[in-house]
Amino acid sequence: EAQVTQNPRYLITVTGKKLTVTCSQNMNHEYMSWYRQDPGLGLRQIYYSMNVEVTDKGDVPEGYKVSRKEKRNFPLILESPSPNQTSLYFCASNNRGGGEQFFGPGTRLTVL
Amino acid sequence: SQQGEEDPQALSIQEGENATMNCSYKTSINNLQWYRQNSGRGLVHLILIRSNEREKHSGRLRVTLDTSKKSSSLLITASRAADTASYFCATDAGQGAQKLVFGQGTRLTINP
Repeated sequence: EAQVTQNPRYLITVTGKKLTVTCSQNMNHEYMSWYRQDPGLGLRQIYYSMNVEVTDKGDVPEGYKVSRKEKRNFPLILESPSPNQTSLYFCASNNRGGGEQFFGPGTRLTVL
Repeated sequence: SQQGEEDPQALSIQEGENATMNCSYKTSINNLQWYRQNSGRGLVHLILIRSNEREKHSGRLRVTLDTSKKSSSLLITASRAADTASYFCATDAGQGAQKLVFGQGTRLTINP
């Protein structure tokens, strides 16, 4: 089944404790993105990648890192999480730039 | 920056009625997409309309695009309870091929 998977689905952590949210897609898509969704703000792009080893900032990259060492994986790294990073995070992939995106199920992160 | 803005923010109708949601944007686009999100879950792509298209249909969905007014509408005909969800428009402004910008969404409730 074609899908985007994210892990963990739920995470509660404390300020400053490094964490990684994994994202994997099995559709051989070149493009992948991370978004955060907050009430009243919609979805905002954090980072995106157009291919292996090619990443770029989205609209809200501060406090996040990403890597794209393999085509299928695009982990999101929070080196020192803060409470303002409490949010619902989505990973997405697509076959061509600006085209239909396939979303993962989301990761609900709470930073205390 | 927020590109697409949906209107209304919330819409409640009776099952069987038609639902219309609007999206306005600010800059020129390559395409505009509509997505559906069931509560707390990942977004699901509904339809993509290119800047040179004026109308597109998919099942009970009808999307129009007016580039002169920088606006789009999504019509869901003969609504069902299962259509209850949030609906987002997203615009591809073609900046670097992966700048998909989402609006804040319309929350649609279908009452049985």
